[in-house]
Amino acid sequence: GQQVMQIPQYQHVQEGEDFTTYCNSSTTLSNIQWYKQRPGGHPVFLIQLVKSGEVKKQKRLTFQFGEAKKNSSLHITATQTTDVGTYFCGVTGNQFYFGTGTSLTVIP
Amino acid sequence: EAGVVQSPRYKIIEKKQPVAFWCNPISGHNTLYWYRQNLGQGPELLIRYENEEAVDDSQLPKDRFSAERLKGVDSTLKIQPAELGDSAVYLCASSSYLLAGVETQYFGPGTRLLVL
Repeated sequence: GQQVMQIPQYQHVQEGEDFTTYCNSSTTLSNIQWYKQRPGGHPVFLIQLVKSGEVKKQKRLTFQFGEAKKNSSLHITATQTTDVGTYFCGVTGNQFYFGTGTSLTVIP
Repeated sequence: EAGVVQSPRYKIIEKKQPVAFWCNPISGHNTLYWYRQNLGQGPELLIRYENEEAVDDSQLPKDRFSAERLKGVDSTLKIQPAELGDSAVYLCASSSYLLAGVETQYFGPGTRLLVL
């Protein structure tokens, strides 16, 4: 079945430092989505990537889809305390799967 | 525009008791999802509806879980009887490919279930 791993599981950074989470699939993906879940909240859609090698930016967030469409990354430049939360990738196989998530803590 | 509505927000029950969760998706969204999220983990899909049809329920523990979406709008997820391991957050989401061009899922606030 579909396996989607995210690394790291946890990340603590000082405010202003950069942060990257990686999503790796065992199979080729048709697309990948990224969601953010604040502590105590629900997942909120951030973006979808479809094309091989695609790069999209949202302010300080940069999303990249690998050339082989088996991995993706989310990079945050100069983290802020508002970036705290868990970041999940989501992929569509025979059903929709969420990755294991990366929990980001930003230390002021 | 109202978001996905779920009720109740919290539920505490004793094991072996039944429990039901309700979800009203965003108006016009024909796809509805039920997820279960355990602490520290990603949401796990339980069932997906396209209108009133359950198109993916492979992860739904059918011995004790049931769901319905009779009119293709709101939906109910039921557990009977509940077990200790059912304690989790139950999330409902809806999407409309036609509206967004991308099958963005919009999540409700979830129901936090504690089984004692």
